[in-house]
Amino acid sequence: AQSVTQPDIHITVSEGASLELRCNYSYGATPYLFWYVQSPGQGLQLLLKYFSGDTLVQGIKGFEAEFKRSQSSFNLRKPSVHWSDAAEYFCAVGANTGTASKLTFGTGTRLQVTL
Amino acid sequence: NAGVMQNPRHLVRRRGQEARLRCSPMKGHSHVYWYRQLPEEGLKFMVYLQKENIIDESGMPKERFSAEFPKEGPSILRIQQVVRGDSAAYFCASSPGAGGSQPQHFGDGTRLSIL
Repeated sequence: AQSVTQPDIHITVSEGASLELRCNYSYGATPYLFWYVQSPGQGLQLLLKYFSGDTLVQGIKGFEAEFKRSQSSFNLRKPSVHWSDAAEYFCAVGANTGTASKLTFGTGTRLQVTL
Repeated sequence: NAGVMQNPRHLVRRRGQEARLRCSPMKGHSHVYWYRQLPEEGLKFMVYLQKENIIDESGMPKERFSAEFPKEGPSILRIQQVVRGDSAAYFCASSPGAGGSQPQHFGDGTRLSIL
């Protein structure tokens, strides 16, 4: 069964500082990986996705993530955080078999940005 | 608005009543997913439907919960005889096709409160 671990429940960074949010997954084959962001009271917005190919993927809002098979990781990064990035971030894995379509989410990392 | 539409945004029910949550997928999407988010937790998959078919209901509680996606109209998640533990945010997502590589687009959710 697939699973996702986000080890950091809460992270605080200063505006302008760099950011890295950790994500580790468990899956038997090459997974489909996603990062979503959720603002309070809102739904989830897709930041970026990895399916295959280049292990460094670029997303919206200046985010990027790197897939590392050897570490079973898909960490999210941003070189300079803006106050508007404060939100909850979810890593998710999608199955890579047939038509199996459900996403398995981590428990999320809440990002606080100080000015 | 061409996004995933969920209504109502907020729903209050008393214990023992029925709750009906509606979801209209993005235009052109025929695959719908329902997820539940408990406070301070990530999203948990409940059910995956295509038009008139339930494809995967492995995350649905065995009793009181049902879902449908009729040929015409929105998808409905129905909870009968609600209990306090059903209080959560329920999110609907849609995708244009099947498979874990299809990015899922989320609605803003329905916040269900049980008195």
